[in-house]
Amino acid sequence: AQSVTQLDSQVPVFEEAPVELRCNYSSSVSVYLFWYVQYPNQGLQLLLKYLSGSTLVKGINGFEAEFNKSQTSFHLRKPSVHISDTAEYFCAVSRTGFQKLVFGTGTRLLVSP
Amino acid sequence: EAQVTQNPRYLITVTGKKLTVTCSQNMNHEYMSWYRQDPGLGLRQIYYSMNVEVTDKGDVPEGYKVSRKEKRNFPLILESPSPNQTSLYFCASSSDRVETQYFGPGTRLLVL
Repeated sequence: AQSVTQLDSQVPVFEEAPVELRCNYSSSVSVYLFWYVQYPNQGLQLLLKYLSGSTLVKGINGFEAEFNKSQTSFHLRKPSVHISDTAEYFCAVSRTGFQKLVFGTGTRLLVSP
Repeated sequence: EAQVTQNPRYLITVTGKKLTVTCSQNMNHEYMSWYRQDPGLGLRQIYYSMNVEVTDKGDVPEGYKVSRKEKRNFPLILESPSPNQTSLYFCASSSDRVETQYFGPGTRLLVL
């Protein structure tokens, strides 16, 4: 079975600083990897996904993530954050060919001026 | 506008009183899922459906039922709600097994 670990429950950062949100997964088979964002009082929306190919994936709002198979990681990065990036971020994994998504526990990104 | 809608958005009920949370999508998606979100636990899949009349259990199906009689609708049924089902519920849909899941706005349920 797949599982996802987001080690940081909360990451405070100043506006315009870079940020990295960590995600590690465990799976014995090939997987697809996703990052979703949840703004306050809203549903989730997709930031980016890795299905195959280039290990560096670019998403919306200037975010990117790198798939590292040897370290089973899929960390999310942004070089300069904005106040509007304050939200909860979820890493998720699904086994290739299956619909079932397994989510991490989420990381709350707090951007202050 | 492409969207997933859920009703009601907020619901307070009492233990044992049957309730249904509706979910509807207008994107002709085959795949639909229900999740619950709890603090410190992230989102956990309750049930999912791969097409009309095809459903399967997710990670936390106990106490829930679903049906998929039409492609666009995927209601979540709590036959006898209990306080441990107090949670934030999300419906999601996607067009393919690897495609992006589109989430509804959520239904916040409180069971007294």
